[in-house]
Amino acid sequence: ETGVTQTPRHLVMGMTNKKSLKCEQHLGHNAMYWYKQSAKKPLELMFVYSLEERVENNSVPSRFSPECPNSSHLFLHLHTLQPEDSALYLCASSQQVAGGDTQYFGPGTRLTVL
Amino acid sequence: GDSVTQMEGPVTLSEEAFLTINCTYTATGYPSLFWYVQYPGEGLQLLLKATKADDKGSNKGFEATYRKETTSFHLEKGSVQVSDSAVYFCALLIGSARQLTFGSGTQLTVLP
Repeated sequence: ETGVTQTPRHLVMGMTNKKSLKCEQHLGHNAMYWYKQSAKKPLELMFVYSLEERVENNSVPSRFSPECPNSSHLFLHLHTLQPEDSALYLCASSQQVAGGDTQYFGPGTRLTVL
Repeated sequence: GDSVTQMEGPVTLSEEAFLTINCTYTATGYPSLFWYVQYPGEGLQLLLKATKADDKGSNKGFEATYRKETTSFHLEKGSVQVSDSAVYFCALLIGSARQLTFGSGTQLTVLP
């Protein structure tokens, strides 16, 4: 496989569930990102990892918990979400965090919270 | 702060029409500029980019030129197809920054 992959593509969960989103990049990049895309709102950066170390957390509620076990994999653990968390969650990767490197995106996970 | 302004959508064109989607930016440094495309139900795909003034990015018949004097990066295509129907996002990235700054997106619909 090539590029950035995300699983699952669609997820429906209740507010009391715990689930995880997975992202994998096959580009040999060192930086990975989680973005949130809500209807009628600009894309919002949630987390940034560089070489498995979190370097940015944009005031994201603690019900979202990222994990980066290695430079190729990124997870977003979800628990006790709210209906307003329903959105498209996009993963991206780039060669480095800084330096103006192009970010490549995965297809996204469409999350619906009931 | 840094920002990107895109023309309001939606834009509806007939097949083979000429397309322009305007994008202007404000930035404190010298950004790289990008156009991403999002097809229905999909994530963002990089369409083209330019990293310095007067650079022209091109891909799949789309073009955009980095104009420092007008702080613009307008997207153009000479003859659109139905398959070009998607949402187009203009974005910038400052070299020292970690975050892409996106415009609000422009919905394009091409009718046969």
